[in-house]
Amino acid sequence: VQLVQSGAEVKKPGESLKISCKGSGYSFTNYWIAWVRQMPGKGLEWMGIIYPGDSDTRYSPSFQGQVTISADKSINTAYLQWSSLKASDTAMYYCARRDSSYIYFDPWGQGTLVTVSS
Amino acid sequence: EIVMTQSPAALSVSPGERATLSCRASQTVSINLAWYQQKPGQAPRLLIYGASTRATGIPARFSGSGSGTEFTLTISSLQSEDFAVYHCQQYNNWPPIFGGGTKVEIK
Repeated sequence: VQLVQSGAEVKKPGESLKISCKGSGYSFTNYWIAWVRQMPGKGLEWMGIIYPGDSDTRYSPSFQGQVTISADKSINTAYLQWSSLKASDTAMYYCARRDSSYIYFDPWGQGTLVTVSS
Repeated sequence: EIVMTQSPAALSVSPGERATLSCRASQTVSINLAWYQQKPGQAPRLLIYGASTRATGIPARFSGSGSGTEFTLTISSLQSEDFAVYHCQQYNNWPPIFGGGTKVEIK
């Protein structure tokens, strides 16, 4: 079971961005995929989760309206996107697979570093 | 929303010694508590779920205990590869919430 994320990104404020997380080694459509933010030197923040089988998506109240989570089950890939980045979006972003029964996460992707700077 | 508080924020321990990390929930989470290890430059890794069940491949020196609002992660004899940040996470209530982390440093 493996989650492989897209590479680091450097963007300017106001730009859009879509990062990806590709699953392999398991039935991608049958497990929820979560996105987690880690700002520099800080803890983990759960952003939202998607079920690739039917694209059912839930967001943390803190991130609702700030990001969009989507998935393409035909290529076993989940996405996290921004329409207009801010400097405060600078962080490491991880995807992680939810357990089949409970809402803990294993395994995790390697992370995608997003840097937003003018 | 539940608040998860980890203490201490940092812990200095000598190799071979025991480390005890605490995680407190602002309201009961039953045993729906997970622990993760995060080494520098790496993604988190699941250590414990259900408050006390070790994940696949996790050494027996890691143990979790507690229920309700008070939880403990114990590393019985610290190895060099155990120096890392440890995060707790509750999954009893929506949304899932992480604690702020405890950094275990070499003394």
